[in-house]
Amino acid sequence: NAGVTQTPKFQVLKTGQSMTLQCAQDMNHNSMYWYRQDPGMGLRLIYYSASEGTTDKGEVPNGYNVSRLNKREFSLRLESAAPSQTSVYFCASSPAGGLGQPQHFGDGTRLSIL
Amino acid sequence: QKEVEQNSGPLSVPEGAIASLNCTYSDRVSQSFFWYRQYSGKSPELIMSIYSNGDKEDGRFTAQLNKASQYVSLLIRDSQPSDSATYLCAVNRSGGGADGLTFGKGTHLIIQP
Repeated sequence: NAGVTQTPKFQVLKTGQSMTLQCAQDMNHNSMYWYRQDPGMGLRLIYYSASEGTTDKGEVPNGYNVSRLNKREFSLRLESAAPSQTSVYFCASSPAGGLGQPQHFGDGTRLSIL
Repeated sequence: QKEVEQNSGPLSVPEGAIASLNCTYSDRVSQSFFWYRQYSGKSPELIMSIYSNGDKEDGRFTAQLNKASQYVSLLIRDSQPSDSATYLCAVNRSGGGADGLTFGKGTHLIIQP
């Protein structure tokens, strides 16, 4: 019963490198989300996918792109990493859009940009 | 811009006492409210959800919502050292709820044995 699985768990990049963070959920949820968490800033929404085939910007989308590959998978791509993108990244999913749908989180990816 | 405000703490409570955590939000159309617990280095874990004015109880946890005052709280009865964590208040970003949550910065709770 895996829930939301994120890979990798840790990554160190150099400035300007690119990488993709992977997220998969096995709960048959329609909606998926990417957040970043920085000290003193709380969790902030980067991008979300309300349903398969749709993606939308959240609060802090600059420097990121996403792909909703299928209902299970939602990836986050950094095209040219910057030190300001050093953060902990969480993927989350929820059953469907609408009132009262809590989100379930993966274990996170700890990303350092040097 | 929608905001969710929490006292960052730390809030120190003796073991066995009631811990009271508070949260205010700015958007009157918000309809879904959640409390998450986050241990250091771990992911957020859902504790409570509440959608209607009043109290909702689940074991040692009680969530309270007052939409007129735009205020939501979490009470933890018979606090245990294992309750020591950061508690995040979250509110849906729009009435529909599909477009994610706005989180407060969290309250760091310490239960003193």
